[in-house]
This record gives sequence, structure tokens and C-alpha cells, in this order.
Amino acid sequence: QKEVEQNSGPLSVPEGAIASLNCTYSDRGSQSFFWYRQYSGKSPELIMSIYSNGDKEDGRFTAQLNKASQYVSLLIRDSQPSDSATYLCAVNFGGTASKLTFGTGTRLQVTL
Amino acid sequence: GAVVSQHPSWVICKSGTSVKIECRSLDFQATTMFWYRQFPKQSLMLMATSNEGSKATYEQGVEKDKFLINHASLTLSTLTVTSAHPEDSSFYICSARSQGARNEQFFGPGTRLTVL
Repeated sequence: QKEVEQNSGPLSVPEGAIASLNCTYSDRGSQSFFWYRQYSGKSPELIMSIYSNGDKEDGRFTAQLNKASQYVSLLIRDSQPSDSATYLCAVNFGGTASKLTFGTGTRLQVTL
Repeated sequence: GAVVSQHPSWVICKSGTSVKIECRSLDFQATTMFWYRQFPKQSLMLMATSNEGSKATYEQGVEKDKFLINHASLTLSTLTVTSAHPEDSSFYICSARSQGARNEQFFGPGTRLTVL
């Protein structure tokens, strides 16, 4: 069974620090990787997508992908209290279905 | 861009009634839409994949006769919860994938269903 795993947290970081969120996946053939942010009671919001090995930066967010080790991570620099949310890792395992498999999410708390 | 709407945002109904939820892609054409359900403090559960003009593909354990999905156009998919019961109370969220997108899915705001 194809799986995506995340530490449920909570991950607590002080304001201004770097938050590091990690995700591992089971299928080496996976092609597309995504990070979504979900505030309590709201639907997920796409914040990063990454398709090839290495780093991808967008503002305060950096996604890192290592296909050989089957992990993808999200770094949030200069963490703000508004970053407090659950971060969902999602993987497309390929094929024609194009569906995503989600991890259970990591809850991030940014403290003052 | 990539805006997905859902209607209604919340609904309360009596047990045994049917509820229809609409999902629309507002600024792009969605060849594929997905329906998820999320119970409190739990992760997203994919219910079905909906392709325009064809029958939906349901995930294992999801009753296709209870959760009717119609994807009649490239911008609209509907989910009908038939004969709803209290255990169907949940947060239902749709997402849409645009043509040519590299599997990016954009989520609607969700519909909170409460069955009394």
C-alpha cells in the first residue's frame, strides 16, 4: 500500500525561528509532491509543489525533495504566529488517476 | 487564479433526507475533480475521483449508491449524500485539477454537513 508519513506533532517553534517539517513516502515511482496548509476548520491551501530533486524556494518557504531517500521537507523561515496550522504532505504516486495521497499532517505551533 | 467554490458552506438536515453539494472551478476548466471527507481532528479521506463526462471512481469502502457524484461539465461537479444519517455528518471538501496542471489540486472551502 502506498503511504505518506508525517510526524503528527505538535511541532513548537518560537517566532522568527525556522520550522522544519518532514515527510516520507513509500513509492519510488512517485512524481509530484505538494505541501498544503490547513487552518483549523478550513480547507487545505496549496503552498508549494515540487517535482525534481533539490530545493525550491518561494518567499519564506523552501521545499526540499530527495527521491533517492524518499523524503520531502518544508522549511519555513522567520516563522510567524500566523503560520500556526496543520501542514499536509501530499504525493502523486503516478498513473492516470492523478489522485493525491495525503499524510496525516504535522501541527505547527509558532509561539511568541 | 485557480479558485474553487463550494455551495453550500454549511447545511443542517434531518436524518433520511438527501443533500446536494456543488463544486465549481471559477477560473479554469477542471477535467478532474475530487471529493474528500474529513472528520474532526482526522486527515483528509478521498472518497471519489470525478472525471467530466464519465462515471466517478470511488475509493474502497465508499458506497457509490449513497454518495452520488455527477461531473456534467468542466466547471461543475456535484456530490449528493442520499438518505443522510448522523454518521454522515462531516466536513466535505472538493478539489479540482486543471487541464495541463502537474497534478496540482486546488481545494474548495468545504461544506460542513450536520445530520440531526
